[in-house]
Amino acid sequence: SQTIHQWPATLVQPVGSPLSLECTVEGTSNPNLYWYRQAAGRGLQLLFYSVGIGQISSEVPQNLSASRPQDRQFILSSKKLLLSDSGFYLCAWSSGTGTSETQYFGPGTRLLVL
Amino acid sequence: AQSVTQPDIHITVSEGASLELRCNYSYGATPYLFWYVQSPGQGLQLLLKYFSGDTLVQGIKGFEAEFKRSQSSFNLRKPSVHWSDAAEYFCAVGARGYQKVTFGTGTKLQVIP
Repeated sequence: SQTIHQWPATLVQPVGSPLSLECTVEGTSNPNLYWYRQAAGRGLQLLFYSVGIGQISSEVPQNLSASRPQDRQFILSSKKLLLSDSGFYLCAWSSGTGTSETQYFGPGTRLLVL
Repeated sequence: AQSVTQPDIHITVSEGASLELRCNYSYGATPYLFWYVQSPGQGLQLLLKYFSGDTLVQGIKGFEAEFKRSQSSFNLRKPSVHWSDAAEYFCAVGARGYQKVTFGTGTKLQVIP
């Protein structure tokens, strides 16, 4: 069966510091991968998605970036965090076969920027 | 472009009462529809999905949803709510061959004894 991992689970970072959040998927090949942010009291905002290694689509211009160095690894980064980057970050995967677009989510990373 | 509306931000029901959470979507072709549940501090768990076929879909935890094309709705129902159902519920719409899914803003369910 497929599983998705995110780490760290919680992170407290000062403004201006760098960020690296990691997401890995097990039990599937060539998945579509997604990064979402969920701010307090708001819905899910799609930040990035990837259909393959090195292929990243950005949905919202901001100071975050994403990379996919391996088939089942998706990384969210920032060079300098802003207060507004605080939130709950969710990684998700889907099969990418075109026949099932169901997304499955990881446990999330709570980021607090101070 | 796809869009999803969940008109109820917050709903309170008594334990044992029935539940219906509303979801309306906008999409020109046949949509793929999903309901997810999120407990505090957790990721989203898929409750059920509709791709085609029978418009009444059964999911996990005793939930069901009905696709009504004429009303552009996909409401979630449960005949008898349990205290453990307290969570936030998200409706989402996607499409065949389309990598992205659009989520609603969520409905927070409170269950009172």
